[in-house]
Parts: sequence; structure tokens; C-alpha cells
Amino acid sequence: AQSVAQPEDQVNVAEGNPLTVKCTYSVSGNPYLFWYVQYPNRGLQFLLKYITGDNLVKGSYGFEAEFNKSQTSFHLKKPSALVSDSALYFCAVRDLDSNYQLIWGAGTKLIIKP
Amino acid sequence: DGGITQSPKYLFRKEGQNVTLSCEQNLNHDAMYWYRQDPGQGLRLIYYSQIVNDFQKGDIAEGYSVSREKKESFPLTVTSAQKNPTAFYLCASRETGGGQPQHFGDGTRLSIL
Repeated sequence: AQSVAQPEDQVNVAEGNPLTVKCTYSVSGNPYLFWYVQYPNRGLQFLLKYITGDNLVKGSYGFEAEFNKSQTSFHLKKPSALVSDSALYFCAVRDLDSNYQLIWGAGTKLIIKP
Repeated sequence: DGGITQSPKYLFRKEGQNVTLSCEQNLNHDAMYWYRQDPGQGLRLIYYSQIVNDFQKGDIAEGYSVSREKKESFPLTVTSAQKNPTAFYLCASRETGGGQPQHFGDGTRLSIL
């Protein structure tokens, strides 16, 4: 079965430090991977995606993600965290078995401390 | 600006009552989705539609119904059969094409009176 996991419920980072939010996946074919961010009482905003090509994908708000096929991971990163980055982050993978719907991770709460 | 509009932002349901959540998009997207979000959980798919006049059940369709009479609109009805409807409901749409991301509205928070 295809799946995606976000192993950390919460990540705490000091402002100005680099941040990483982890995501691992399990799919039978080539993965289409996505990262979204959600601020309180708002919808999800698309950050970036990996379809094919360069393993380092750049997205919105200075975020980037590294696709690692051997480790089946797609970790979200940012070189220098801002307090305004504090939010809920979701990783998702396209489900090849179910009409190309998305399989969602449970989400990781990112807290950036001043 | 193009986008997805969900209304109302907050909704209260009485026992035995059906309520309808509105979702309208002006992005000209073919596919539309309804998700339910509970605290501490990820998104769960309720229904989706890939074309007008066609829709499919997602993982938790029981107690919900939808229609897709127009490309722009995909309303969700929470029926009295849904015994635990309190949640945050999110509507999304997507262009056709496997790599296209979903775009989300700002949600409707439904509570029981």
C-alpha cells in the first residue's frame, strides 16, 4: 500500500537557525511529492513539488525540499527560519492506485522561537 | 483574482438537520475535492469530482452528499446521518494533469449546537 509519513508531530527551531521537516514515502512507482503549509484557521497553501529532474526543489517563501530516492524521503528545508514560518506543514504523495488522489501525511507543527 | 471561495466560514448544526457547505472556484479547474480535517489528524477525503455531473466517494463519504452541476461549484451537504460532523471542512480544486497541485479554500468550521 502506498503511504506517506511525517515522523515528527512538532519541530522547534530558534529563529535564524536552519529548519528541516521530515517526510518519508512508500509508493510502487515514480513518486509525485508535494509540500503544503497551513496557518491557523486557513486552507492549505502549496509550497513546492517534485515530479522529476533535479533532486533539490525550490519553492515559495524560501523553502526547498530534497528528494532522496534511496532513502524514500522528501524533507522540507529552509536555511534560516523566521517566526512567521510557524505553521502546520503537510507532505503528500500522489496515489497511483486511486485515480491520482493525494495521500496526506498527518502534519508537522513547526514552532519558530524568537 | 482567481481562487476558491468557501462559505460560510462558521456553521452550526442542530440535531437532525442537514447543512450545506458552499465551494466556488473561478480557476477553471476540472477537478474538485472535499476534505475533512480533525485536530491532530491529516486530511481525509470525503468526495471528489473530476468532471461536471460526475463524482466519486472518498474514504469517509458516509453521512455526506455532493453535487456537481456546474464546473465552478461543488457543494457539500452534511446530513443528519453524519453523527460526528464537528470538524474543519476544506474544499480544493486542481487542473487536469498528474503533477498539478491542489488549491484550497479557507475552510468552513462546522460545530454542533
